[in-house]
Amino acid sequence: QKEVEQDPGPLSVPEGAIVSLNCTYSNSAFQYFMWYRQYSRKGPELLMYTYSSGNKEDGRFTAQVDKSSKYISLFIRDSQPSDSATYLCAMSSSGGSYIPTFGRGTSLIVHP
Amino acid sequence: DTGVSQDPRHKITKRGQNVTFRCDPISEHNRLYWYRQTLGQGPEFLTYFQNEAQLEKSRLLSDRFSAERPKGSFSTLEIQRTEQGDSAMYLCASSFGQSLAKNIQYFGAGTRLSVL
Repeated sequence: QKEVEQDPGPLSVPEGAIVSLNCTYSNSAFQYFMWYRQYSRKGPELLMYTYSSGNKEDGRFTAQVDKSSKYISLFIRDSQPSDSATYLCAMSSSGGSYIPTFGRGTSLIVHP
Repeated sequence: DTGVSQDPRHKITKRGQNVTFRCDPISEHNRLYWYRQTLGQGPEFLTYFQNEAQLEKSRLLSDRFSAERPKGSFSTLEIQRTEQGDSAMYLCASSFGQSLAKNIQYFGAGTRLSVL
């Protein structure tokens, strides 16, 4: 079992839908949680990061962390075709090198 | 452009040849990371530098791989005697480092390696 599990999709939704992307993890030492967006043949771009449990909102994006369930989510409101990309979750623990462990990414397609 | 820069963007080589990639991090960042990403997978950590010191290497980094960061600025990743299994996207990232809050990594666009 991988440390970070993420459904690869693809997830196809109509424009304007609310999108829910999720990751589960097994390492209870993870404290820092990130979401990256990656367009085809481009490098990952940081969308949001959160520390420990709770919610964080930034425009149309909301990140949630539930450490008790080892489950994190990214919600996208009013999804747009330009949101079509692969979304990668990543997480790291405190102490040491803070090297993040990435999920495999979920491919999102928002169709007009 | 003040982001992470990688060169070349795409490299095609024949099996057995050596290749070298370059990464220029964000100028004020002291940490630099190399990752490998294959199709349908997330980035996998290879190695990282704090300034010019190479502090950690993944078991994925075989003896054919070597990375340098002279003077703590740009970095190079060399693969010797390339194999078809080396075909992947090689990503570079940089960060301020040291504290969890400051270790958010910013990625370059990557170098796509194709080994024929």
